[in-house]
Amino acid sequence: QKEVEQDPGPLSVPEGAIVSLNCTYSNSAFQYFMWYRQYSRKGPELLMYTYSSGNKEDGRFTAQVDKSSKYISLFIRDSQPSDSATYLCAMIGSNDYKLSFGAGTTVTVRA
Amino acid sequence: DSGVTQTPKHLITATGQRVTLRCSPRSGDLSVYWYQQSLDQGLQFLIQYYNGEERAKGNILERFSAQQFPDLHSELNLSSLELGDSALYFCASSPGGGRANEKLFFGSGTQLSVL
Repeated sequence: QKEVEQDPGPLSVPEGAIVSLNCTYSNSAFQYFMWYRQYSRKGPELLMYTYSSGNKEDGRFTAQVDKSSKYISLFIRDSQPSDSATYLCAMIGSNDYKLSFGAGTTVTVRA
Repeated sequence: DSGVTQTPKHLITATGQRVTLRCSPRSGDLSVYWYQQSLDQGLQFLIQYYNGEERAKGNILERFSAQQFPDLHSELNLSSLELGDSALYFCASSPGGGRANEKLFFGSGTQLSVL
């Protein structure tokens, strides 16, 4: 079993829809949780960064962390074609130096 | 643009050969990380350097090695290349030693094709 599980999709939604992405993990030591966006043939770009449990909102993006269930989510509201990308979750423990990534979910937003 | 520069963008070589990938971190960043991304393995951490010293090691093969130079740029050396080494290789950098609360900034990657 992988340390971080993420459904690779692909996920296809119409423009304006809410995109829901999630990851589960097994390591209870993870404290910091991130979402990266990766466009085709580009490097991952940090999108959201949260510490411990709770919600964080940034514009159309909302990240949620539920440590009790070892489950994190990313919601994209009013999705746009420019949101079409692969979204990777990543996490790390307080004493770690190595990020653990999910496999990434490929999202296509249809105009 | 993340500020992390990787060269070359593409590399095509044959099995058994050796290649060097280069990375220049963002200005002021002291840590450099190397990641390998393939379709079946996802994004895999290889190695981290902080201010010239190796800080953390991941799933890096013995045929691979890296170093960080005094000017903080880094090179990843891949030798005795095999078909399975074909992948996207990313470099990332961060300001400090890479503890959990640091944010990583990725370059655009080097696409390595081993034929």
